[in-house]
Amino acid sequence: DQQVKQNSPSLSVQEGRISILNCDYTNSMFDYFLWYKKYPAEGPTFLISISSIKDKNEDGRFTVFLNKSAKHLSLHIVPSQPGDSAVYFCAARIFGNEKLTFGTGTRLTIIP
Amino acid sequence: DVKVTQSSRYLVKRTGEKVFLECVQDMDHENMFWYRQDPGLGLRLIYFSYDVKMKEKGDIPEGYSVSREKKERFSLILESASTNQTSMYLCASSLDGQQPQHFGDGTRLSIL
Repeated sequence: DQQVKQNSPSLSVQEGRISILNCDYTNSMFDYFLWYKKYPAEGPTFLISISSIKDKNEDGRFTVFLNKSAKHLSLHIVPSQPGDSAVYFCAARIFGNEKLTFGTGTRLTIIP
Repeated sequence: DVKVTQSSRYLVKRTGEKVFLECVQDMDHENMFWYRQDPGLGLRLIYFSYDVKMKEKGDIPEGYSVSREKKERFSLILESASTNQTSMYLCASSLDGQQPQHFGDGTRLSIL
């Protein structure tokens, strides 16, 4: 049972435009959410996170939005740059639990 | 910066062999994790450890075991390798449950 879902395996966006990556979850016990970015032949790197007590968190070009009623989060990248081309994973954690549950990933391609 | 080092980037082994994957972190982190990444399945947790000599099963522990004799080192053991264990293996560590996990660059393991 996939508790964290990324329904778009791939996404292509023009350089300079906004990239929006989506993630849905089913477990209402999740209270902390993270986005990781992964280049080929490298491990995932932490990008941004959000606690369930917030609905938005911003860090430079990256903003994560959380809609708890819809059990949905999204990552916005503005403006998109060629270096943003990578696979993005969302992940979720239950409070007090060390484990992360990952989505299946979305491959983002930025077109110059 | 946190450094998580996996001993091999690429490894080729034969069916039935006992395989050891090693991971070392340099930040005195309490928690260490082993994942495998497969296309379309995202990252799936195999085992994790929250202290020396302590371990807990993740979502897919069958066919694997782990060892944590020292805080900085976490080993994944394939007791009798099988072809369905061909995958990318990723090690991660975190200070505690409230902090993001930091990943190594992965070991691509092929079982022939």
